[in-house]
Amino acid sequence: EVQLVESGGGLVQPGGSLRLSCAASGFTFSTYDMHWVRQATGKGLEWVSAIGTSGDPYYPGSVKGRFTISRENAKNSLYLQLNSLRAGDTAIYYCARYSSRRGALDVWGKGTTVTVSS
Amino acid sequence: DIQMTQSPSSLSASVGDRVTITCQASQDINNYLNWYQQKPGKTPKLLIYDASNLETGVPSRFSGSGSGTDFTFTISSLQPEDIGTYYCQQYHYLPPITFGQGTRLEIQ
Repeated sequence: EVQLVESGGGLVQPGGSLRLSCAASGFTFSTYDMHWVRQATGKGLEWVSAIGTSGDPYYPGSVKGRFTISRENAKNSLYLQLNSLRAGDTAIYYCARYSSRRGALDVWGKGTTVTVSS
Repeated sequence: DIQMTQSPSSLSASVGDRVTITCQASQDINNYLNWYQQKPGKTPKLLIYDASNLETGVPSRFSGSGSGTDFTFTISSLQPEDIGTYYCQQYHYLPPITFGQGTRLEIQ
């Protein structure tokens, strides 16, 4: 079964850091681009970052310089390092597989919740 | 960055109704447009890719059309299990992946 399982979320103070992890199984992880998408409570989907099969990272302006995406193919794992966190970063963070054939995020994890509050 | 504008932002319809959601891109994206469904409390699910192709296992009452800047998502006969929020997403210009703001669908 193709599966993505996120972990590492929690409550953190403004300015703090967290490292999110995503464990992949059921597919050849190294051959897929991977993405992080977040969703604040009651809000829409916001793309947070992506990493290509060769390790090239991509970020929107809202998180560039604060978030770092990485992957470890030997462990079938995706990571997102979140630094200098702000209240506006509070959201569910989803890990998602990108299907280049469809141009779509075709497999999603259940998400991990990040709460930034003092 | 490309902006994706969905309308309406919410709608209420009856079981059996035909439901239509539109998505407009700020630039020509050819047919590089996908549609997702997110049921309450659940993870988003891919329904349609390349504007009109049904993802495997998705019921045939769902369909999509369009090209360029204007796209349409249709449910031919609304079912109770279709409640949730629907998002369009473009992938013509990457990065970033861009989502529409979502359309919340309720049953009357």
